[in-house]
This record gives sequence, structure tokens and C-alpha cells, in this order.
Amino acid sequence: AQTVTQSQPEMSVQEAETVTLSCTYDTSESDYYLFWYKQPPSRQMILVIRQEAYKQQNATENRFSVNFQKAAKSFSLKISDSQLGDAAMYFCAYRSGSNFGNEKLTFGTGTRLTIIP
Amino acid sequence: NAGVMQNPRHLVRRRGQEARLRCSPMKGHSHVYWYRQLPEEGLKFMVYLQKENIIDESGMPKERFSAEFPKEGPSILRIQQVVRGDSAAYFCASSPLGDVGTFGSGTRLTVV
Repeated sequence: AQTVTQSQPEMSVQEAETVTLSCTYDTSESDYYLFWYKQPPSRQMILVIRQEAYKQQNATENRFSVNFQKAAKSFSLKISDSQLGDAAMYFCAYRSGSNFGNEKLTFGTGTRLTIIP
Repeated sequence: NAGVMQNPRHLVRRRGQEARLRCSPMKGHSHVYWYRQLPEEGLKFMVYLQKENIIDESGMPKERFSAEFPKEGPSILRIQQVVRGDSAAYFCASSPLGDVGTFGSGTRLTVV
């Protein structure tokens, strides 16, 4: 079974600075997808960024980018120019690529990000 | 196009009562996933349904929990004889085939 580990329960960053959230995962599969979700106090789960394991290039979405190290099974999220609206819980998630038609996700335990004005 | 609608947003039940949580998928989505989030934890997969079929229920507790997604109407997650340990946020995500889906805002169940 796949597992996702987020070793940082809490992180804080000064507004406008850069912060990196860590995620490691364990799998024996070669085909899979990785995701970062944001959960603000409203509880809504918002997809931030996704990465296909077969792609070597790291995904980027505006101020959000990932550092995907497949051999190390590491998938960190970098948030540049942090803004107050980035304050939330961030969850790393894994999806198997070998079971097309069943896209269930395995989540880590989350990192609570605080933005310091 | 409205997003995934979950209701109620908050639900309070006494121990031993039944809880019914509803999830209306986005228009055109025929796949629904249910997840449970215990306090201070990540979401855990419970069940995956397509219209009128349960595809994967590997995360569902063996007793008291059931789910359905009828041909017409919302998907329903039903918890019978609730206990305090069932208190959690329950999320659904709907998708077309081949996508992890879009999440609803969840239902927070409190068992008193």
C-alpha cells in the first residue's frame, strides 16, 4: 500500500518570502500522480498543483512550484512571494496510475502554514 | 456550472441516531468518491461509486456505514447508530472518468 508522509505539522513564513513544504511517499509503482491540496478555514479542498511521475519537468502554477525527486520519492511544494491568503492546511496526495477508472487519493497528514504579516 | 454540493454543512446527531450525508456531483460527473477527515488528520478514502454501482469500498468500515449513488439524485453516505468516533468531516469529490475530481466543502458531523 502507498503511504504519504508530511513531516512538518506546522510551518510559518514572513509575507512575501518563500517557503517549502516537504512530502515523501512510499510506493512500488512506477506510474503515479502527485498532488498538493490547500484547505483554508472554509474547509474547501482546493487543488494547487499536480505532477505526473513520468514527467521529469517539475510542475509550476504561478507562485507555486514543486521539486519532484522520483528516486528519492520526494515531492516538495515551494510557495514564492507568500501572501496572507496562502494561510491554510496543505496536503500532499498520491494517486496510482495503474488503476485507470479508480482515481482515489492517499493523503498525508498535512502541514499548517501560517503567514506572518 | 455549480460545484460539488454537499449538505448539510453541519450535522449534529446523538449517539445511536442515523446520519445521512448528501453529495450532488457536478453536472456531467458520474463518479463520486467519499473521504473522511478526522480532527487534525488528512483525508482518508472511504468509497468510490459510479451511478448505481459501488466500485471500491475498501475504505469503508464493515459495519454501520453504507453508500449509494442512484441513477437519479445525489449520492448518500449513511451512518447508522452513530458513535462519538464517527465525528469527522466527510468530503465527497465528483469527476468524469479518469480524473481525481472536484471536492465539495464537506459535511462536519458531530456526535453528542
